[in-house]
Amino acid sequence: QSALTQPPSASGSPGQSVTISCTGTSSDVGGYDYVSWYQQHPGKAPKLMIYEVSKRPSGVPDRFSGSKSGNTASLTVSGLQAEDEADYYCSSYAGSNNLDVFGTGTKVTVL
Amino acid sequence: QLQLQGSGPGLVKPSETLSLTCSVSGGSISSSSYYWGWIRQPPGKGLEWIGSIYYSGNTYYSPSLKSRVTISVDTSKNQFSLKLNSVTAADTAVYYCARRYRDCSDTGCPGRFDPWGQGTLVTVSS
Repeated sequence: QSALTQPPSASGSPGQSVTISCTGTSSDVGGYDYVSWYQQHPGKAPKLMIYEVSKRPSGVPDRFSGSKSGNTASLTVSGLQAEDEADYYCSSYAGSNNLDVFGTGTKVTVL
Repeated sequence: QLQLQGSGPGLVKPSETLSLTCSVSGGSISSSSYYWGWIRQPPGKGLEWIGSIYYSGNTYYSPSLKSRVTISVDTSKNQFSLKLNSVTAADTAVYYCARRYRDCSDTGCPGRFDPWGQGTLVTVSS
């Protein structure tokens, strides 16, 4: 069970879009539609932003969207705002024995 | 509104056992809809799933930590706990507790982590 692979960093100017990838295997990301995305500001606990690949919890702006193709999931933040600057982590169900696995994390910078 | 509050020593000596407790308020830990999980984050690094527990006591552990981890639940206190033995400096991290949804089907019981506790920094040092 290895960590899912994310790019270390991504950036965009206010109002632009940024997309973060999360690559796993057929045993996790590719095998189940249970990918979640979490936002973490410095010194704070992670916050759920997307679950089951593309669903948004109540209160999360619709600027945040998720998708999946094969073994790679993606998070897109549209209309970037200063408060979107944070670390983002993906997570996936990894099958038998109810295993979960997290991604390596991506730091999003708003230029 | 469900809240989770972690507690425990902030300093543990090498080779000893790290012990943390997560208290759940605003909801019952005995719900069939959820597991209860522990996740950690070493300073400046990413998140690592440690394990999860069901109110019945069924546990699920990360293969990389399984030999050293015990997660338990006390439904009478609405709490669940983490023990990690034989700790080293590599176990220094912020330890988070979180509710883990349980959406069961033929393929298992996947789900998301929400909400999370505030995190407890545990330093392993002599």
